[in-house]
Amino acid sequence: DGGITQSPKYLFRKEGQNVTLSCEQNLNHDAMYWYRQDPGQGLRLIYYSQIVNDFQKGDIAEGYSVSREKKESFPLTVTSAQKNPTAFYLCASNSGANVLTFGAGSRLTVL
Amino acid sequence: AQSVSQHNHHVILSEAASLELGCNYSYGGTVNLFWYVQYPGQHLQLLLKYFSGDPLVKGIKGFEAEFIKSKFSFNLRKPSVQWSDTAEYFCAVVRPNNQGGKLIFGQGTELSVKP
Repeated sequence: DGGITQSPKYLFRKEGQNVTLSCEQNLNHDAMYWYRQDPGQGLRLIYYSQIVNDFQKGDIAEGYSVSREKKESFPLTVTSAQKNPTAFYLCASNSGANVLTFGAGSRLTVL
Repeated sequence: AQSVSQHNHHVILSEAASLELGCNYSYGGTVNLFWYVQYPGQHLQLLLKYFSGDPLVKGIKGFEAEFIKSKFSFNLRKPSVQWSDTAEYFCAVVRPNNQGGKLIFGQGTELSVKP
């Protein structure tokens, strides 16, 4: 079945450490997105990529970085510069008709 | 900046009650509108969408939504909820010609249905 796979599902990080969240899709979609979900704040866009080797900042990009070396993969790095990284992170891809398919999410907790 | 507002943060209903969740957006031009649902422990999934045409759209599991352009609204409705409708619901909007297809989401509404 086509879909989006995010890993790990749960991740714990010590303060000052960088962590990378994986997102892989086999839907052959060009555009991919990272959203952050916090209670009462909905989903906020971190970064998005419309095509390989290109990506743009979303509304809350500070403290995060991404790469898009392959169409199938769009990893997100949460750096030590992110002041409040504990959250639920969702990766999505766009069918081209503005309909997003989401992964199951990764929950990051900073200890 | 474009924004989406969902009026209800937490709604509690008994089974068979009717549901209406409010959603308003700020952009005045042409928009695509969506409702997504997140059941406990599951992926966020599309409930229904509006692109053009009939402003009353029907989605999965008996849900429907009405686009009222003059009110910038896209409220979600269901005549009779079930316990299995317990979930978090998100309204989202995107401008059709927006480069990148960046959906803007509302804050979410948590629905709890009592059996």
